[in-house]
Amino acid sequence: EPEVTQTPSHQVTQMGQEVILRCVPISNHLYFYWYRQILGQKVEFLVSFYNNEISEKSEIFDDQFSVERPDGSNFTLKIRSTKLEDSAMYFCASSPGLFYEQYFGPGTRLTVT
Amino acid sequence: KNEVEQSPQNLTAQEGEFITINCSYSVGISALHWLQQHPGGGIVSLFMLSSGKKKHGRLIATINIQEKHSSLHITASHPRDSAVYICAVRNYGGSQGNLIFGKGTKLSVKP
Repeated sequence: EPEVTQTPSHQVTQMGQEVILRCVPISNHLYFYWYRQILGQKVEFLVSFYNNEISEKSEIFDDQFSVERPDGSNFTLKIRSTKLEDSAMYFCASSPGLFYEQYFGPGTRLTVT
Repeated sequence: KNEVEQSPQNLTAQEGEFITINCSYSVGISALHWLQQHPGGGIVSLFMLSSGKKKHGRLIATINIQEKHSSLHITASHPRDSAVYICAVRNYGGSQGNLIFGKGTKLSVKP
């Protein structure tokens, strides 16, 4: 069964460094999402992406964040200058259409020291 | 802004028990999702529904649009059902599919 994959599973970085989190959505899906979950808190929406552009973003998704679909398979989330409060689990999700189920990747745990 | 509330926050059950987890939301929605988060952190979609009832194996999800309420039922619970169950909603109109999540219900099923 097709699945969303994410790499790396765990990333440790120093404050101020740039990180890129990678996702490979399911191949025929059209909508892509990034969510994050700070330890012990609820999952929060960051950004949605469709037709090679951001379709919606939350207040969390400020200028430090960017997303890209550099080729036909990868979907990346970049954090330019990480802060301690960026430490969280980051989930990528994809769906075949706007009103369909979303399929989540296993997550990348980002630890900023 | 939609507020999603789940109850209970924690639930401990004996194997075989019938389990109900509730979700309520404050603003009309286009769809509601039930998700399962495993101890390792991974999230699996269980159901997406916008009306009525859906069943998959021992899991049943219902939604009452007028009352802005949904329930997830697990029949004949098993220790492998132990996980965090999360309700998430998609607002009606405008949003490009982004979900608003509840805090989750942590279920522990004892053998």
